[in-house]
Order: sequence, then C-alpha cells, then structure tokens
Amino acid sequence: DAGVIQSPRHEVTEMGQEVTLRCKPISGHNSLFWYRQTMMRGLELLIYFNNNVPIDDSGMPEDRFSAKMPNASFSTLKIQPSEPRDSAVYFCASTPGVNYGYTFGSGTRLTVV
Amino acid sequence: AQSVAQPEDQVNVAEGNPLTVKCTYSVSGNPYLFWYVQYPNRGLQFLLKYITGDNLVKGSYGFEAEFNKSQTSFHLKKPSALVSDSALYFCAVKEYGGSQGNLIFGKGTKLSVKP
Repeated sequence: DAGVIQSPRHEVTEMGQEVTLRCKPISGHNSLFWYRQTMMRGLELLIYFNNNVPIDDSGMPEDRFSAKMPNASFSTLKIQPSEPRDSAVYFCASTPGVNYGYTFGSGTRLTVV
Repeated sequence: AQSVAQPEDQVNVAEGNPLTVKCTYSVSGNPYLFWYVQYPNRGLQFLLKYITGDNLVKGSYGFEAEFNKSQTSFHLKKPSALVSDSALYFCAVKEYGGSQGNLIFGKGTKLSVKP
C-alpha cells in the first residue's frame, strides 16, 4: 500500500487566492482526519470524517476553510480566500476504525505571501 | 474530557545514555495510548500503542513505553539513545471503546541526542 497520499507537497500562493489541498486515504480506512501544524500552536485537528460524513468540524478556524469527502478515496481541504496566517503544514491521516491508530501523510507545506 | 500532557518541551540526552520522554493522560474510561515520532519535514510515524495487557509495550526502533494506571502515565523509553533518534515525539490518547473518534495529541517533545 502506498500509504496516505497528499498533494501538493509544497504550495506557495498569494494572499486572497484559493488553495485546495488533496488527500487520498489508505484503501479500506473509513475515517479521515485533517490536521494543521505550526510552531506556535502545535498539531491542531481541523475536521474528521467517518464513512465520508463530516463528524466534527469544530477545529476549522473560520468560514474560509471548508473540507469535503465526496467518496471513500478522496478528500479536499479548501481555503478561500487564503491569508498569511494560514501558512502551516497541513496533514491528512486515515484509520480503519475508532480503536486503531492513524497513518499520516507526508503533509502539504502551505506558504501564503 | 480527554487530555494528554507532555510536560517537557525538550529533552537532551547524550548518545548511549537512556532516554525518557514523559506523557500523562486523562480519560474517563480505559485509555488507548500511542506514541508517534516526527522527523524533520515528514509526517508523524507510529511507534507503539497500548490497549490492554502487559504494561510494558515494545515498539519500533528499540523504543518501549510503560503504562502506569495509578499515575496515569505512559512514558516513552529507550535504553541507549542514538543521534538518529533526534526528532519530535507525540503522545496521544483516546478512550478505548468510547464514542469520540479522534485521538487527542500532546504538544510534542523535542528529543535532542548529542554525540
């Protein structure tokens, strides 16, 4: 298995632009998580899905952030419009069930200038 | 509410010496505990987990962790540190069998092993 696949690995964009981050979970994993990591705030859970349904989006910082999971093999995290304070590494993780550990992707390093 | 604490932001160890990275947790029921490691510019990698059974859990790269229910701790240990162990270490917890689906992560501890 190729693991959790995230794209792009790096994204540099100008303030105000739309940014879309992508994630392909491990086949058969029915839960997917989006995290954001910064030096100041550490690892923050943004949103997670069970069976493609959003369960908890309380970590999504603002309405500028949205996430979708149209099917079991794909999820997106969108920021529109982007701001410099959104600069961070965004991780996607998946798991086969609530009592299992997570497998993390390699992350997307987002820089908003 | 579930929570996990890593009281040390950084741990410094000389190569060859034993290392300990501390973690304490709080859950209302039985805990499900994990350690993850993050190397620079990489995602988090699973090291080991505790569900039930033997309190001493052995994991990847020679690491082990001891579950202590009375002290609500799950400290990560290694008998002899390597320079290559230098990384960021995260402890995580959830209530075993609980309805909340997500792991709660600590803030991380930076381990620095000097030659």
